[in-house]
Amino acid sequence: NAGVTQTPKFRILKIGQSMTLQCTQDMNHNYMYWYRQDPGMGLKLIYYSVGAGITDKGEVPNGYNVSRSTTEDFPLRLELAAPSQTSVYFCASSPRTGGTSFGGELFFGEGSRLTVL
Amino acid sequence: AQTVTQSQPEMSVQEAETVTLSCTYDTSESDYYLFWYKQPPSRQMILVIRQEAYKQQNATENRFSVNFQKAAKSFSLKISDSQLGDAAMYFCAYRSARGNEKLTFGTGTRLTIIP
Repeated sequence: NAGVTQTPKFRILKIGQSMTLQCTQDMNHNYMYWYRQDPGMGLKLIYYSVGAGITDKGEVPNGYNVSRSTTEDFPLRLELAAPSQTSVYFCASSPRTGGTSFGGELFFGEGSRLTVL
Repeated sequence: AQTVTQSQPEMSVQEAETVTLSCTYDTSESDYYLFWYKQPPSRQMILVIRQEAYKQQNATENRFSVNFQKAAKSFSLKISDSQLGDAAMYFCAYRSARGNEKLTFGTGTRLTIIP
């Protein structure tokens, strides 16, 4: 059972470079999320998606873009990387909560550590 | 907007003893979920325990239990018989059960276990 898979696990970027963090889930979940975690802090929501073709901004979307062309995949694009984007990035997914017996939790990937120098 | 507050940045406990981590939240909704996630040095986010707001009974998972006070908007985590493997960051989190379904996290409590 793969669950939520993120790649790469580690990456070093130079200022101004671009890259895409990949996220895929094999649980047929409707909802997918991208969070970032700065050192010693909690997780902050960057973008989320409630289904294929639908995305919305979270708390800290500036400098990032997302797309959701399939249920399984939710890539996060960093354009013009800046040192402020040095962080650990988590992708997560969940099924719908309403009208189900599901307990509401998110299922997380293992995280991707990004350093911008 | 919902907020989650963890007022204890760090806690420590002697091995085999009991420790309680605090969490308060702010919401105008009546139907929601609360969670405690554990993040060990491996940084994997691990669900420890969940509580549905409509349930009055406090959730329990083995050595982990919660004290859910809905009127006070308080959700503390009690760890009994603490073990070395319990050392980690613990995050309290809130999620609405309808409409806006984002998970909002507190800033975390770092728990140290003293052998």
